[in-house]
Amino acid sequence: GAVVSQHPSWVICKSGTSVKIECRSLDFQATTMFWYRQFPKQSLMLMATSNEGSKATYEQGVEKDKFLINHASLTLSTLTVTSAHPEDSSFYICSARGRAVEQFFGPGTRLTVL
Amino acid sequence: QQQVKQSPQSLIVQKGGISIINCAYENTAFDYFPWYQQFPGKGPALLIAIRPDVSEKKEGRFTISFNKSAKQFSLHIMDSQPGDSATYFCAARGKSTFGDGTTLTVKP
Repeated sequence: GAVVSQHPSWVICKSGTSVKIECRSLDFQATTMFWYRQFPKQSLMLMATSNEGSKATYEQGVEKDKFLINHASLTLSTLTVTSAHPEDSSFYICSARGRAVEQFFGPGTRLTVL
Repeated sequence: QQQVKQSPQSLIVQKGGISIINCAYENTAFDYFPWYQQFPGKGPALLIAIRPDVSEKKEGRFTISFNKSAKQFSLHIMDSQPGDSATYFCAARGKSTFGDGTTLTVKP
């Protein structure tokens, strides 16, 4: 299957700071990228969907000003958690889809906000 | 309204046994039904997927059974191994909708 990378794999930050997470499709062009949030022992919660070159579509209840998503190229999408607070601590996972229907996931980023 | 309902929440199977996880969906417009396997601290990995024009798909020890009229599909893991212990998610394409997950434990 196709490979999707995420960076960093884990990050610890102080409350009030912003954190950027990168998601890259390494061997295919991702026309659509998805960002998920996952709490321990829970399912994946879709936060937003982004298509290359256009604004992300956020799910209901997700603050777009807090979770900034940029999908500037066919291989890179970024999620920036602005003014992070302890309740933003979670496992963030991106996935990417090219022209085919299959969706490939990154390894996830563990965010801990102190 | 949850669009994909998965059961059971957890499952314990003896090594060599058959693990069965079920999912039901609401929207008949869904046209692609994948199963993902996730190990702790890792992202989900695509395991096997099916389209609604077939009733069964098999890949190695993993089989998807699909019942279009009942709007249900299931994952069967034959000869379950301890290495299969993970969380499994069903999904349906349309809005990248995931089930709640099933934690599978295969006892040696």
